[in-house]
Amino acid sequence: LAKTTQPISMDSYEGQEVNITCSHNNIATNDYITWYQQFPSQGPRFIIQGYKTKVTNEVASLFIPADRKSSTLSLPRVSLSDTAVYYCLVGALSGAGSYQLTFGKGTKLSVIP
Amino acid sequence: EPEVTQTPSHQVTQMGQEVILRCVPISNHLYFYWYRQILGQKVEFLVSFYNNEISEKSEIFDDQFSVERPDGSNFTLKIRSTKLEDSAMYFCASSGAGGRKAFFGQGTRLTVV
Repeated sequence: LAKTTQPISMDSYEGQEVNITCSHNNIATNDYITWYQQFPSQGPRFIIQGYKTKVTNEVASLFIPADRKSSTLSLPRVSLSDTAVYYCLVGALSGAGSYQLTFGKGTKLSVIP
Repeated sequence: EPEVTQTPSHQVTQMGQEVILRCVPISNHLYFYWYRQILGQKVEFLVSFYNNEISEKSEIFDDQFSVERPDGSNFTLKIRSTKLEDSAMYFCASSGAGGRKAFFGQGTRLTVV
């Protein structure tokens, strides 16, 4: 499983765009990049997933350069409710078809009023 | 949005007792998972389950643990003889065909005293 490195913490003011970058230098050909959000005492919540280039949904954008050795989660105009831990995960389906997720410590985002 | 539900939300048990944690995955999902998170630590994979059998398990998932899908809707995690170090949040997750997007439940906080 590819190891990921992301900042331990970030602070941002309300209304700003936040970009969290994750490095995954040994990403494999079949690996996808997935980001989850977790609030205290709650389960992780899927945000976005991508393989290459750019993916956008109603919540965030994910930018993946051509070499795929890093990725950037972009949260537009954050609010106080976006304060959470954000996890970058890299992996592929196993031969059995399951998708084992290996969580790191994540990035603790604090949004300041 | 469909969701994974877990019961109970909080369970207190005495050391050495058996506990069963229950989960109702999203109805058309095929892959089921248990994860745990010890307070202040990372989310850790325990086991994945597909087609009525375990497809992958971690080193944490020893003989004290078992999983079952007794009736086609519930998915349970049993810990036979709980230890103090089993105290953690336990998260159930499920994913559909294709498997890469996992939905997590809100968790069961297990406290072993």
